[in-house]
Amino acid sequence: DSGVTQTPKHLITATGQRVTLRCSPRSGDLSVYWYQQSLDQGLQFLIQYYNGEERAKGNILERFSAQQFPDLHSELNLSSLELGDSALYFCASSVGVAGGRETQYFGPGTRLLVL
Amino acid sequence: DQQVKQNSPSLSVQEGRISILNCDYTNSMFDYFLWYKKYPAEGPTFLISISSIKDKNEDGRFTVFLNKSAKHLSLHIVPSQPGDSAVYFCAASATGSNYQLIWGAGTKLIIKP
Repeated sequence: DSGVTQTPKHLITATGQRVTLRCSPRSGDLSVYWYQQSLDQGLQFLIQYYNGEERAKGNILERFSAQQFPDLHSELNLSSLELGDSALYFCASSVGVAGGRETQYFGPGTRLLVL
Repeated sequence: DQQVKQNSPSLSVQEGRISILNCDYTNSMFDYFLWYKKYPAEGPTFLISISSIKDKNEDGRFTVFLNKSAKHLSLHIVPSQPGDSAVYFCAASATGSNYQLIWGAGTKLIIKP
């Protein structure tokens, strides 16, 4: 158990809809990262928040947005969903800001299926 | 443009033998490399890392080798155990890129009894 929780585990929705994925980081971790993993692909970095502020942005679509709240949990909002958004979405957390230099702890992921 | 490539989607190894997983990269600015392991229905877990100032890092049964001139790294697992059956991801980051991790597509390792 990494200490990172993600809800829901599974989500099935229709094209054009909007969903919210939730992540609670490990106790003491200030950074939260969001990743997308499409079928048989590597993880694609979407966005990082550190202590409530956006820290780094990857290949995140304009239809997607995220935020980190004062209690450090984070939400990833996906809107105007398309079939191609079907993927596993992982949240990870770390103590500091340098995510590529320190251990990131991953949640079990949310599997999104857009029909 | 795949900056980190794991060309073997899967690898099968006998229990007790050595497992060697390979990873190639194209971006010469990468200076830190990590391996993560992933079991089904779980998120990836950190395994081992190496900085570009080293060419080898060892942690128990796991050793990572880095060949900067070839832009190639490998993960050696000796001896391989059934619990090592998982998907292994190679990831890399560069100073000055906000340390974003760039991931390979993963190699599924199967340890045969």
